[in-house]
Amino acid sequence: KQEVTQIPAALSVPEGENLVLNCSFTDSAIYNLQWFRQDPGKGLTSLLLIQSSQREQTSGRLNASLDKSSGRSTLYIAASQPGDSATYLCAVRRRTGGFKTIFGAGTRLFVKA
Amino acid sequence: GEEVAQTPKHLVRGEGQKAKLYCAPIKGHSYVFWYQQVLKNEFKFLISFQNENVFDETGMPKERFSAKCLPNSPCSLEIQATKLEDSAVYFCASSSPGQLLLNYGYTFGSGTRLTVV
Repeated sequence: KQEVTQIPAALSVPEGENLVLNCSFTDSAIYNLQWFRQDPGKGLTSLLLIQSSQREQTSGRLNASLDKSSGRSTLYIAASQPGDSATYLCAVRRRTGGFKTIFGAGTRLFVKA
Repeated sequence: GEEVAQTPKHLVRGEGQKAKLYCAPIKGHSYVFWYQQVLKNEFKFLISFQNENVFDETGMPKERFSAKCLPNSPCSLEIQATKLEDSAVYFCASSSPGQLLLNYGYTFGSGTRLTVV
């Protein structure tokens, strides 16, 4: 059974700091891994999607890495800004089971101005 | 449209009442997924459809929950005789066969917040 764990559960950093969010998963047989952002009371915004054959993806100040063998992914946010404050969710799509996606519990990030 | 439209945004029901949530997928998307988000961000997969056919229902509670995707109508998720623990945000996502086969992600709606009192 696939389980997705995110550490830390919450993080508070001063503006401008670089930070890393961690995600681990128990079953390496995945199709892809996706990082989402969720603002309070809102839906999910897809940030980055890494296919199982890839090792990283970059978009602006965001960089996500994937190490399938160790069951880990990191989301690196450079030069954090108060607007980055949100909950960041890691999700993996399994190779079996109808394209179902398993989500982690998220990391709540607060960037102080 | 280019967004997954979920209605209503908020729904309040007394315990024991019925709740019905709607999802209009992006035009051309034939896969629809329902997720339940309870406290502390735990997302739980409920059910998926390929057009009007159930694709995967392994997450659906056996009792009280049902879902449909009928042609030319929004998809729906219905909860009979709601309980306090059904309080959650229910998200719908859609995808096209091409997106799934190419290993792209889904597009999520903004959710329906169900509060059972």
